Amino acid sequence: GQQVMQIPQYQHVQEGEDFTTYCNSSTTLSNIQWYKQRPGGHPVFLIQLVKSGEVKKQKRLTFQFGEAKKNSSLHITATQTTDVGTYFCAGPGYSGAGSYQLTFGKGTKLSVIP
Amino acid sequence: DAGVTQSPTHLIKTRGQQVTLRCSPKSGHDTVSWYQQALGQGPQFIFQYYEEEERQRGNFPDRFSGHQFPNYSSELNVNALLLGDSALYLCASSLRTGSDTGELFFGEGSRLTVL
Repeated sequence: GQQVMQIPQYQHVQEGEDFTTYCNSSTTLSNIQWYKQRPGGHPVFLIQLVKSGEVKKQKRLTFQFGEAKKNSSLHITATQTTDVGTYFCAGPGYSGAGSYQLTFGKGTKLSVIP
Repeated sequence: DAGVTQSPTHLIKTRGQQVTLRCSPKSGHDTVSWYQQALGQGPQFIFQYYEEEERQRGNFPDRFSGHQFPNYSSELNVNALLLGDSALYLCASSLRTGSDTGELFFGEGSRLTVL
């Protein structure tokens, strides 16, 4: 079945440093989504990328979808303590009949040292 | 506009017991997906309901079953609980559009502890 892998599993950064997490899929994806889960919280949608090579920015967050649509990255510039949480990528998997489900990676847990 | 609501928020069961978790989707959404999230792991897909039928199922045993009601709310049932079933159970709602795009809206989850 489809697998979505993320690295690193953990990242500790000093406040103000940059942070990047990488996502790789075993299959070509039609789109990829990113979610953030704060400690003790639930996953919250951040963004969806659809086009090959697409780059989207949200303030200090930059999301990229690979040319082959099998990998993606999330880069945070000048991290803040509010960025703390686990970042998940997720891609759609299909089982026919027009139905799909999102397959999540294991996530990258970001800690920011003030 | 109410988001996705789940109940109960926390519960403790013993091995062999049965549990029922409930979910009300976001207003206007017709599809409910259930995920299991073990500590330190990503959400794992259990199954998805649309039009009161199970449409897709992940790699979970038959002990896990569900239901969707006409008002789109859903239940997740787990029988013969095992210690390994301890996890955060997340309900996610979405609007079925026929395409594979579109975000999931998650509830706060139900934290199940099996002793």
